[in-house]
Amino acid sequence: ETGVTQTPRHLVMGMTNKKSLKCEQHLGHNAMYWYKQSAKKPLELMFVYNFKEQTENNSVPSRFSPECPNSSHLFLHLHTLQPEDSALYLCASSQTGTGEAYGYTFGSGTRLTVV
Amino acid sequence: KNQVEQSPQSLIILEGKNCTLQCNYTVSPFSNLRWYKQDTGRGPVSLTIMTFSENTKSNGRYTATLDADTKQSSLHITASQLSDSASYICVVSDLTGGGNKLTFGTGTQLKVEL
Repeated sequence: ETGVTQTPRHLVMGMTNKKSLKCEQHLGHNAMYWYKQSAKKPLELMFVYNFKEQTENNSVPSRFSPECPNSSHLFLHLHTLQPEDSALYLCASSQTGTGEAYGYTFGSGTRLTVV
Repeated sequence: KNQVEQSPQSLIILEGKNCTLQCNYTVSPFSNLRWYKQDTGRGPVSLTIMTFSENTKSNGRYTATLDADTKQSSLHITASQLSDSASYICVVSDLTGGGNKLTFGTGTQLKVEL
């Protein structure tokens, strides 16, 4: 394991459902991230949290709602998704400071399918 | 706009052979360059990370090179194994945004066959 744990590993949901993705890091990092990875496209940064404060929202639709209760936990709440939202959602963490992001580590991802 | 381009897009080699993957980037101001290995359905795992002053770095059978003048990097895999089959992603970090800004390539899909 990498020290960044994501649950669930797989999720199938209907367009009217509400679900949440969970990420937990055991590395003592102060920054956490959500990424979306679609087939044949680069990873897309969605949200950044530093010391549990959101510092970046990369123009993500409001049907994705992040929550960061502390520096170790990150959630992504999902509602009324579209089929094109089907993708691998990756969580990452790092230790930031002096302009560097040290120890950038990814979780194993949640494979989301919207039907 | 910061960009990272990788080539080839995909590659098939026989077990035991060597291969080299390429990465060109236009990221400024440059901080560091990382190579990640991503197995199917898993998250990326870091192989190497190089700063501006480093030309080469090895991790077992993986050797990465960096030419900061031409903004090119390569990842050389020696004596390939079936377990090397994965996507290899080049990632460049810039110094803006407190170090959180990473630009990802689309990856090279490597398949190692018997």
